[in-house]
Amino acid sequence: DVKVTQSSRYLVKRTGEKVFLECVQDMDHENMFWYRQDPGLGLRLIYFSYDVKMKEKGDIPEGYSVSREKKERFSLILESASTNQTSMYLCASSQDWMNEKLFFGSGTQLSVL
Amino acid sequence: AQKITQTQPGMFVQEKEAVTLDCTYDTSDQSYGLFWYKQPSSGEMIFLIYQGSYDEQNATEGRYSLNFQKARKSANLVISASQLGDSAMYFCAMRENEGGSEKLVFGKGTKLTVNP
Repeated sequence: DVKVTQSSRYLVKRTGEKVFLECVQDMDHENMFWYRQDPGLGLRLIYFSYDVKMKEKGDIPEGYSVSREKKERFSLILESASTNQTSMYLCASSQDWMNEKLFFGSGTQLSVL
Repeated sequence: AQKITQTQPGMFVQEKEAVTLDCTYDTSDQSYGLFWYKQPSSGEMIFLIYQGSYDEQNATEGRYSLNFQKARKSANLVISASQLGDSAMYFCAMRENEGGSEKLVFGKGTKLTVNP
């Protein structure tokens, strides 16, 4: 089975801190995604990557950046965390563009105080 | 404009009964894909079912079926013989091509509660 692992299940940070959320997948997938999930808003795409060192902005990239130095690892970076970035962050990966079936990690609940 | 609309914030169903979760979508693409995901309280998103825009038959996966009505742009999920373990959030999603990049867009979700 495909496994997508997010490094932390819960994270508490202070306003202004630099925050790294790590995601690793073990199935050699080309594509990786970061979503945030907020009640009543569903999942919104922050950034995605279809190859090593490649990245594309999603629908809400402001305040975030990403890094993909290796195929299996996709990091989400909050350069200066703010309280409105308190959210559940979900990482996902996929191999097949055509049916875009995503495999998700368990999520990281980030609280910015 | 919202691309995926799920009009039911919450739904209740009795165990062993069938339930339909609504999803409508908006796209001008001829080729697209529609998905349903389940998110139990543990938080992990679980893929349930996929329907391609050119598929003539409605997709089925065990107790899940997708009622695809292309002209109405609807892709409702039908769960037959509901079980207590079906209680979860359910998300409808659509693959779209924007600016040459493929991505998946999600609806806001429906919370399903199965009562014993």
